[in-house]
Amino acid sequence: AQSVAQPEDQVNVAEGNPLTVKCTYSVSGNPYLFWYVQYPNRGLQFLLKYITGDNLVKGSYGFEAEFNKSQTSFHLKKPSALVSDSALYFCAVRDTFDDYKLSFGAGTTVTVRA
Amino acid sequence: DADVTQTPRNRITKTGKRIMLECSQTKGHDRMYWYRQDPGLGLRLIYYSFDVKDINKGEISDGYSVSRQAQAKFSLSLESAIPNQTALYFCATSDGDTLKQFFGPGTRLTVL
Repeated sequence: AQSVAQPEDQVNVAEGNPLTVKCTYSVSGNPYLFWYVQYPNRGLQFLLKYITGDNLVKGSYGFEAEFNKSQTSFHLKKPSALVSDSALYFCAVRDTFDDYKLSFGAGTTVTVRA
Repeated sequence: DADVTQTPRNRITKTGKRIMLECSQTKGHDRMYWYRQDPGLGLRLIYYSFDVKDINKGEISDGYSVSRQAQAKFSLSLESAIPNQTALYFCATSDGDTLKQFFGPGTRLTVL
């Protein structure tokens, strides 16, 4: 079965510093990977996805993610974090047998201090 | 996302009560989902529906039932609520072209 793991419960960075949120995956076949963000008292919002092609995927709000097949990772990155990036971030992977089902990681809480 | 709405937004109920959570969407998507979110566990799929005649169990369907009244409406019921069903519940729809999911604002359910 497919799964993703987010090894860090929390990430704390200073505003203006680079932000990285880690995700590793386990799938049979080619992975379809996603990042979602949840701001306080809101539903999840799509940030970006990797299906095929370039290993560096660009998404919303200045975020990007790097797909690394050899390390089975899909880390989310932002070169210069903002206080408004403080939120809960989820990595997700497509179900092997159903394109429209996703399995989510446990989430990583990002706090960006001014 | 304003295109996916959930009612109620908050609900406190007692053990043994029947509860219905409702979801409506204006995105025109066929696929709809119900998830629950618990701290440290991420989102877990309860039920999903491909269309009004197709309902499927997710990984944690025990204690829940659903109804797809129309393409735009997908309701989640707890027939006899228990305290460990206290959680944040999300409805979502799926875009068949992009594989994106679009989430409602969530319903915070507390079972006493």
